[in-house]
Amino acid sequence: AQSVSQHNHHVILSEAASLELGCNYSYGGTVNLFWYVQYPGQHLQLLLKYFSGDPLVKGIKGFEAEFIKSKFSFNLRKPSVQWSDTAEYFCAVNVGNTDKLIFGTGTRLQVFP
Amino acid sequence: DTEVTQTPKHLVMGMTNKKSLKCEQHMGHRAMYWYKQKAKKPPELMFVYSYEKLSINESVPSRFSPECPNSSLLNLHLHALQPEDSALYLCASSQVGTKYGYTFGSGTRLTVV
Repeated sequence: AQSVSQHNHHVILSEAASLELGCNYSYGGTVNLFWYVQYPGQHLQLLLKYFSGDPLVKGIKGFEAEFIKSKFSFNLRKPSVQWSDTAEYFCAVNVGNTDKLIFGTGTRLQVFP
Repeated sequence: DTEVTQTPKHLVMGMTNKKSLKCEQHMGHRAMYWYKQKAKKPPELMFVYSYEKLSINESVPSRFSPECPNSSLLNLHLHALQPEDSALYLCASSQVGTKYGYTFGSGTRLTVV
């Protein structure tokens, strides 16, 4: 069965530190990849997505992610985090031509001033 | 503001009650979804509607009954729920083919007593 792994369950950083959150998926075929963010008490928002083309994808709020097909990975990065980036981050994968989006377990990011 | 509207925002119901959750979008999306999210867990897919037809049911108990009366509306009818069904219920929509990403609503916080 397809699965999505986020190995960093809880990340604590100071403002201006660099961020990288890992995401790995298990599926050998065509995939579409997403990162969502959920701020405390708010709905899920799409940060960025990849489905073809340049494997380095830029999203909102200064986030980017790199798709490395050989590693089945889609890691999220930000060069300098802010306190307002404190949130839960979910990687998600859509496989093939299905309408099914599978979420990873999420990473809780806390940024301290 | 989210473009997927869910009502009510909060719902408390007894185990013998019948209630409905509502979801509405006017983005012209023809795929709509119900997800269940427990605290500190990722969203779990329940149902997928594509062109107003149920296309995926993730083995959800029959006490949850989805309905898609038209391309803008999605309902989730609830009957004889259990306390463990208490969760945040999220509605989402997308163009058919999830490579475009979902737009999520803010959810209905359901408590079963």
